[in-house]
Amino acid sequence: SQQGEEDPQALSIQEGENATMNCSYKTSINNLQWYRQNSGRGLVHLILIRSNEREKHSGRLRVTLDTSKKSSSLLITASRAADTASYFCATAPSGGYQKVTFGTGTKLQVIP
Amino acid sequence: EADIYQTPRYLVIGTGKKITLECSQTMGHDKMYWYQQDPGMELHLIHYSYGVNSTEKGDLSSESTVSRIRTEHFPLTLESARPSHTSQYLCASSPRAGLEAFFGQGTRLTVV
Repeated sequence: SQQGEEDPQALSIQEGENATMNCSYKTSINNLQWYRQNSGRGLVHLILIRSNEREKHSGRLRVTLDTSKKSSSLLITASRAADTASYFCATAPSGGYQKVTFGTGTKLQVIP
Repeated sequence: EADIYQTPRYLVIGTGKKITLECSQTMGHDKMYWYQQDPGMELHLIHYSYGVNSTEKGDLSSESTVSRIRTEHFPLTLESARPSHTSQYLCASSPRAGLEAFFGQGTRLTVV
């Protein structure tokens, strides 16, 4: 079974609004990563947060990690039409983190 | 832009044919991966490699095989394609296991 599950599965917002996506996972992790995938293309790495970090920022992105709840959230502020894509969380398990496991993804649509 | 390339981008082929999906990277990464993704769905790891002459099967059983004779090249082969192999195949590389992965643009395979 997949390690991560994203919530919601799909999200539609107006341009300028904030978008929040959540990721839950099952086992202990070394780090958690977020990726973006534009329709039918490869994934692009957005941000990595380590298990000993609680929050990280990169431009309009803010990621939080709660290891006690085994969950993470990705916030995109002031969304743009170009942010329309699917967003995946990926976890690297602790103690042998060779196999990064991807979640089910959230499909974000930003309406101009 | 990541320096990882997949060819072909699209492939339509008849049942029973042998096919090879190419993946090359110019970043000198030891770690390389193949993922299978159905439209709108999660990614499943089917093969990975930690270096030359090192290959392992991933979490999702696949009838495909891989080889790693050169660091930069990680081709995937299907000896006899079937309609059930229809999917998108994504290749990725990473400088270290569990860290940021760089993805190719993917090969969308259709077996008729």
